[in-house]
Amino acid sequence: GEDVEQSLFLSVREGDSSVINCTYTDSSSTYLYWYKQEPGAGLQLLTYIFSNMDMKQDQRLTVLLNKKDKHLSLRIADTQTGDSAIYFCAEMGSSNTGKLIFGQGTTLQVKP
Amino acid sequence: DAMVIQNPRYQVTQFGKPVTLSCSQTLNHNVMYWYQQKSSQAPKLLFHYYDKDFNNEADTPDNFQSRRPNTSFCFLDIRSPGLGDAAMYLCATSAVWETQYFGPGTRLLVL
Repeated sequence: GEDVEQSLFLSVREGDSSVINCTYTDSSSTYLYWYKQEPGAGLQLLTYIFSNMDMKQDQRLTVLLNKKDKHLSLRIADTQTGDSAIYFCAEMGSSNTGKLIFGQGTTLQVKP
Repeated sequence: DAMVIQNPRYQVTQFGKPVTLSCSQTLNHNVMYWYQQKSSQAPKLLFHYYDKDFNNEADTPDNFQSRRPNTSFCFLDIRSPGLGDAAMYLCATSAVWETQYFGPGTRLLVL
């Protein structure tokens, strides 16, 4: 079945780059998403990538997609303390229901 | 400017007392979703509406119901809340099978 996996925790120093990784199993995924969740808040859409793309850049965010290995990564350049949050990777599968399959979330801790 | 609005942000109810959570949207999206999120876990889809067409996930308990009286509003009804239903409830909307936009969530506490 469909599954999405992420490492649970990442700690970086302010100003460094952060790389959050995600693997998925559904090779027919159409879109892959990154959402950010701050404590007590909803999910904020950060960025997404269509499955026929390899890379997408949006200001400090770079998404890389390796379809062969079913691997997605989110790079945050010049990480700030305000980037501390949980980051969820999600795929939209091929079932045409719009259902998102989420990873378990990566907690990013940014140390001053 | 808010696009997906959830009220209230915090809700306290008593064990077994029915409770209703509200979601509204200004995006005119066809699809509205309800998720349950427990601490340190990924959101879990409960059900969604595609226009007036209700779609329940297979493992959603009967205790959870939903209503969508019009395009803008969708309600989550919990008929007899148990302690295990304490969670964050997230509403999301999308155009048909496109990117989902989430509201700020309602945190439910069951006493």
